[in-house]
Amino acid sequence: SQQGEEDPQALSIQEGENATMNCSYKTSINNLQWYRQNSGRGLVHLILIRSNEREKHSGRLRVTLDTSKKSSSLLITASRAADTASYFCATGPQGGGYQKVTFGTGTKLQVIP
Amino acid sequence: ETGVTQSPTHLIKTRGQQVTLRCSSQSGHNTVSWYQQALGQGPQFIFQYYREEENGRGNFPPRFSGLQFPNYSSELNVNALELDDSALYLCASSLAGSRSNTEAFFGQGTRLTVV
Repeated sequence: SQQGEEDPQALSIQEGENATMNCSYKTSINNLQWYRQNSGRGLVHLILIRSNEREKHSGRLRVTLDTSKKSSSLLITASRAADTASYFCATGPQGGGYQKVTFGTGTKLQVIP
Repeated sequence: ETGVTQSPTHLIKTRGQQVTLRCSSQSGHNTVSWYQQALGQGPQFIFQYYREEENGRGNFPPRFSGLQFPNYSSELNVNALELDDSALYLCASSLAGSRSNTEAFFGQGTRLTVV
């Protein structure tokens, strides 16, 4: 079963606009990661945020984490056509141990040139 | 490029057959995880190998099995293939240690079609 649920399931925006995707999860986590996947290919790691962090930036990406609400958001600013992809959140279990990450269902982002 | 390679890239098998998928980890990584991704879904965790031993398993039947070799490359074996096994199979390598989860690097996947 999926741990996370992304919202929206699909998002279509114009190039230059910002894109915001949300992720909700069910159990306590050690960290949360965001991945990008182009056309059913391998996943590319974007950013990891630990449970004791609230916000993290990487280039045009901004991730927030609210552990009290069990939710995270990914903001892509000044979107480009190349950002068109599916985006997944993935959670690492609290307590560490083996490194199973559990993926959400994904948001399909389309950036229109 | 993540340094994780999977082979083959595409594969067609008949129901009831057996299949072996291969994954070469990124240099220096000691952990490999396998995921199944059905069309339109997120990846589902199959199992993980750490230093040649299974180190966690998802909700998959025993006909899904694996191996990790001394060079940390890995195989995923699926016996008695079913039509629902058609999916993209992803492997991810990472470096496990005493700290919490770290970044995993994914291969491009093997697209398995069972007919």
